[in-house]
Amino acid sequence: SQELEQSPQSLIVQEGKNLTINCTSSKTLYGLYWYKQKYGEGLIFLMMLQKGGEEKSHEKITAKLDEKKQQSSLHITASQPSHAGIYLCGAVPPGSNYKLTFGKGTLLTVNP
Amino acid sequence: NAGVTQTPKFQVLKTGQSMTLQCAQDMNHEYMSWYRQDPGMGLRLIHYSVGAGITDQGEVPNGYNVSRSTTEDFPLRLLSAAPSQTSVYFCASRRKDSSYEQYFGPGTRLTVT
Repeated sequence: SQELEQSPQSLIVQEGKNLTINCTSSKTLYGLYWYKQKYGEGLIFLMMLQKGGEEKSHEKITAKLDEKKQQSSLHITASQPSHAGIYLCGAVPPGSNYKLTFGKGTLLTVNP
Repeated sequence: NAGVTQTPKFQVLKTGQSMTLQCAQDMNHEYMSWYRQDPGMGLRLIHYSVGAGITDQGEVPNGYNVSRSTTEDFPLRLLSAAPSQTSVYFCASRRKDSSYEQYFGPGTRLTVT
């Protein structure tokens, strides 16, 4: 089965600093989703990557899928307290068009 | 559109009790799924459905039943609640094509004493 490992597990940064969260798959990725979750709330879709080398941005958040399609990174530029939360990567396993498996998440704290 | 709705938001059960968590979506999505989220474990797939009348097991199906009689609804039934089922439960839906976004409900926080 496909496993997604996120690093770091948690991260504390000062407001204004840049940061990167990584998501590494045990198998080739055929679709990688990034979600954000605020404590006690549901998941908010950030972006989806499908092609090797693909890069997408939304406001100050940029996600990239490497050429080999086994790792994705999420980069936040000039972090703000509003960026705080849990970031989860999810992927569609090879051979399945339906099931979405997730990493364990990265808890981001942004100190003002 | 209301998106994906879940009821109740909070629930406390005693060991051995049964209950149904409700999930509905109004986007005509073929695919619906149930996840549980536990500290340090991330999101784990319980059951999923690719259309009305079709369901299948996910990663952690034991102790849970599902049915999909309509496209809109996908209830999750706990047959005999156990403390190990204390968790936050999320329902999700999306179009059948995996290139589309998966939408999540707000979650149900369940405590089993």
